[in-house]
Amino acid sequence: DVKVTQSSRYLVKRTGEKVFLECVQDMDHENMFWYRQDPGLGLRLIYFSYDVKMKEKGDIPEGYSVSREKKERFSLILESASTNQTSMYLCASSFKGGRVVTLHFGNGTRLTVT
Amino acid sequence: DQQVKQNSPSLSVQEGRISILNCDYTNSMFDYFLWYKKYPAEGPTFLISISSIKDKNEDGRFTVFLNKSAKHLSLHIVPSQPGDSAVYFCASNFGNEKLTFGTGTRLTIIP
Repeated sequence: DVKVTQSSRYLVKRTGEKVFLECVQDMDHENMFWYRQDPGLGLRLIYFSYDVKMKEKGDIPEGYSVSREKKERFSLILESASTNQTSMYLCASSFKGGRVVTLHFGNGTRLTVT
Repeated sequence: DQQVKQNSPSLSVQEGRISILNCDYTNSMFDYFLWYKKYPAEGPTFLISISSIKDKNEDGRFTVFLNKSAKHLSLHIVPSQPGDSAVYFCASNFGNEKLTFGTGTRLTIIP
């Protein structure tokens, strides 16, 4: 069974802090994704990575960066946290290729920026 | 610009009846459509998908219908069970790994 683990369930940070959200998957998936979920807006893609050290911007990359140094780990970085980044953050992974790609999600990290 | 829309934020259905969740999209180039289900404090899980070349796909109690001319898809759950209470997201892609999600519909099954 695929397991995607996000290191924190809840985080509270102050405005201006640098924030790291960590995600690890155990199924040797090539692709990894970071989404945020907000009421009325659904899930929006921030960044994704299709290989180690590779990354591609999603729909809302502003204010975020990512790091993928190892295949199983994908980190989301908020360089200077702001209150509008308060949200639920969801990491996902999948195999590469094919027309139907099923994402496997972690349980999410609820980040509050005060 | 929301390319995938779920216009009903919530839906309540009696246990045993049919639940119908709707989704509209704007881009006719979408290749596959998927439904995900999300319980509180958990990540979304894949439920069912349909190719743009089909108009129906069935899996047990779940059936997805696609109406390309109307750019509309729907998820039917029959019969509805209390464990179906969750938030449902429709999603679509262009035949690659990037999914575009809708805004979600919270389904509540009333015992």
